[in-house]
Amino acid sequence: NAGVTQTPKFRVLKTGQSMTLLCAQDMNHEYMYWYRQDPGMGLRLIHYSVGEGTTAKGEVPDGYNVSRLKKQNFLLGLESAAPSQTSVYFCASSQTVTEQFFGPGTRLTVL
Amino acid sequence: LAKTTQPISMDSYEGQEVNITCSHNNIATNDYITWYQQFPSQGPRFIIQGYKTKVTNEVASLFIPADRKSSTLSLPRVSLSDTAVYYCLLGDGGYNKLIFGAGTRLAVHP
Repeated sequence: NAGVTQTPKFRVLKTGQSMTLLCAQDMNHEYMYWYRQDPGMGLRLIHYSVGEGTTAKGEVPDGYNVSRLKKQNFLLGLESAAPSQTSVYFCASSQTVTEQFFGPGTRLTVL
Repeated sequence: LAKTTQPISMDSYEGQEVNITCSHNNIATNDYITWYQQFPSQGPRFIIQGYKTKVTNEVASLFIPADRKSSTLSLPRVSLSDTAVYYCLLGDGGYNKLIFGAGTRLAVHP
């Protein structure tokens, strides 16, 4: 099993550009999450999903959108990237909310 | 939301036991206490979870006193590979309540 995978691993955007980050899990987990982590800080929850076709806002949702059309995939979109969105983005999945399995992360730089 | 407080950093030496304490004075009745470990450039990894008293697995032990206002993660005989950031979190199944703080940066020295 691959666990949780994220695509791409690195990306550089210019201000105003858009992009989509893909998260895939092969553990048949119901719950999926997107976090961001800024240097020297803990993770902050952006959006999450409690099942296929459902999404909800987390702690820092502004500037991001998500979709969960298939149970195994959770997409994070940036419609108009800003330098403040420069961060490392982690996706996670779980069957219980407290035991989450994380992907390797996507390092995004917005110039 | 219940908040956790941990030391910013700790230092230890190989072979020693390390205890990291987390304070959570406003823990809710339904909250579980969960610890994660994060290595540089990797996502966090679940270590252990508990509700009260003591929990032990192959990696660590978790001690929770009766009032549940604090908890202690114990790592027996640490090695260099235990150098990481350790996060204490509270969660009760409300998904937006799994809040990561800044964590404790543990450095293990030879």
